[in-house]
Amino acid sequence: AQSVTQLGSHVSVSEGALVLLRCNYSSSVPPYLFWYVQYPNQGLQLLLKYTTGATLVKGINGFEAEFKKSETSFHLTKPSAHMSDAAEYFCAVSGGIRRYSTLTFGKGTMLLVSP
Amino acid sequence: DVKVTQSSRYLVKRTGEKVFLECVQDMDHENMFWYRQDPGLGLRLIYFSYDVKMKEKGDIPEGYSVSREKKERFSLILESASTNQTSMYLCASSLKGGTGTGGQYEQYFGPGTRLTVT
Repeated sequence: AQSVTQLGSHVSVSEGALVLLRCNYSSSVPPYLFWYVQYPNQGLQLLLKYTTGATLVKGINGFEAEFKKSETSFHLTKPSAHMSDAAEYFCAVSGGIRRYSTLTFGKGTMLLVSP
Repeated sequence: DVKVTQSSRYLVKRTGEKVFLECVQDMDHENMFWYRQDPGLGLRLIYFSYDVKMKEKGDIPEGYSVSREKKERFSLILESASTNQTSMYLCASSLKGGTGTGGQYEQYFGPGTRLTVT
């Protein structure tokens, strides 16, 4: 079984400050890890994903995440927050031997950006 | 540009009505998914389908059924809507992949249908 824990249902930062959204996972098989973003009244959009290879993954809009197997973590960061980054962020994990592996999502973290 | 569309953005139904939510994808994806999203609970998988006429239960299938008669279309059915089914419903699709590798493919989401049952 797989699970995802996102620490903090809400994170507040000032514009220009570092963004750090935390994600820890549990998986019995090598995981595939994803971060999605959801803007108000929209569906989810992929920010970045880790499958294999380089553990530091770069995504869209200046976000990146680092896969740390020893810590079972996949934290999302951005050096400088913009007002347009205000949204809800979801971490997700998949993996396994089936060809149609499903995603298990965390409960989400709402990012609030103040001027 | 890849696209997943859902038949309605907002829907209001009465308790006991039969409700159909439609989802169409234009990416020739094998996998399709239905989730519901509730504040503080994240996304929870209701059903998914990995091929035409094939379906698998997700984490919360009770009170729902699905239909996939064509590859591009996946329908969610609420046989008798209840107020506790008031929620945001999201459809997604993805490639299937080979054994052990299917999970690496991201899911593409539609804009969602906000269903209110009164």
